[in-house]
Amino acid sequence: QKEVEQNSGPLSVPEGAIASLNCTYSDRGSQSFFWYRQYSGKSPELIMSIYSNGDKEDGRFTAQLNKASQYVSLLIRDSQPSDSATYLCAVRGGNTGKLIFGQGTTLQVKP
Amino acid sequence: DVKVTQSSRYLVKRTGEKVFLECVQDMDHENMFWYRQDPGLGLRLIYFSYDVKMKEKGDIPEGYSVSREKKERFSLILESASTNQTSMYLCASSPMYEQYFGPGTRLTVT
Repeated sequence: QKEVEQNSGPLSVPEGAIASLNCTYSDRGSQSFFWYRQYSGKSPELIMSIYSNGDKEDGRFTAQLNKASQYVSLLIRDSQPSDSATYLCAVRGGNTGKLIFGQGTTLQVKP
Repeated sequence: DVKVTQSSRYLVKRTGEKVFLECVQDMDHENMFWYRQDPGLGLRLIYFSYDVKMKEKGDIPEGYSVSREKKERFSLILESASTNQTSMYLCASSPMYEQYFGPGTRLTVT
């Protein structure tokens, strides 16, 4: 069973700090990696995608991918209370269009 | 912007009813998906479709069927609703790899 693992949290950080969210995956053939943000009672919203090793930055968000170690992370700089949400890691393996989702990490940013 | 719409935000049905959940996307995406999301179980794939009239089973297809007669519309059908199908149902649309979700339908079966 191909798996995507995340620490469920909650991860609590003070406002203005860097929040670091981590995800590991079991399928070495995985090709594409995504981070979604989900507010309580809402649907997941795509915030980052990353396809190759290294860092990808978009505003306050940085996704990091290390295929050799099979992990992907999301850094949120200058965290705001509005960043408080559950963050889902999703991985696409092989030639399939299906995504495998982790259970999500709940982030709490305290003012 | 990608827009995925779902027919209802909240729905209450009785056990044994046939239930239709509809999803429409306006971006000419080939791929569409239906998930359910339950606390502690995460997102689980029910069915997906790569093209009109094409469908494939996901991880939990039992008790569900789907229909895709037009590219923009993907319907999920609960043939005979049961209480264990009470859940949040999420539709997603995808041009290739990334998926975009609709707002979700919270279905309660009593």
